[in-house]
Amino acid sequence: DAGVIQSPRHEVTEMGQEVTLRCKPISGHNSLFWYRQTMMRGLELLIYFNNNVPIDDSGMPEDRFSAKMPNASFSTLKIQPSEPRDSAVYFCASSLTGQGNTEAFFGQGTRLTVV
Amino acid sequence: DQQVKQNSPSLSVQEGRISILNCDYTNSMFDYFLWYKKYPAEGPTFLISISSIKDKNEDGRFTVFLNKSAKHLSLHIVPSQPGDSAVYFCAASLNTDKLIFGTGTRLQVFP
Repeated sequence: DAGVIQSPRHEVTEMGQEVTLRCKPISGHNSLFWYRQTMMRGLELLIYFNNNVPIDDSGMPEDRFSAKMPNASFSTLKIQPSEPRDSAVYFCASSLTGQGNTEAFFGQGTRLTVV
Repeated sequence: DQQVKQNSPSLSVQEGRISILNCDYTNSMFDYFLWYKKYPAEGPTFLISISSIKDKNEDGRFTVFLNKSAKHLSLHIVPSQPGDSAVYFCAASLNTDKLIFGTGTRLQVFP
């Protein structure tokens, strides 16, 4: 398996534009996570899906952020409209839960810069 | 509110010596703890974990210690190597398999 695949690796956009980040989890994994890495808060959990259903979105900063998982092999994180304070590295991770081991596998991340 | 805290943003250790990275948590119900390692421009990778029913887990040069009464865990790396230079995140989970991460500690191992 190629691991968790995220695209794009880098995104530079102007304030006010819509940004869509994409993620393909590891085949067979049933949980998917979106994290944001910042200096102040480290790896911050934004939203968590289990079997394609959003379980916990309490970490989503505000209504400008939305996430979907239309099937087991694809998820998106959308920011509309984007703001400079959204600049960060966004990670997607997947895991096989219910097995007693909650190790999550991370993608390489998308570095988002909003100017 | 930060449920998992890593109070040392950075640590510098000489090659061959022991590196000790610390992590504190606030929720006594956490039942599983993990350490991840992150190199620049890469995603975090799993390093070692420990269940709340244990107080120590060892894997080669890496040992994780858990002190539940103090709500504290630590990662020991012995001996430290230059390739260990990275950012280390501790994480905790509670039943739901959702991982809560700390802010990370940047370890630099110098020759």
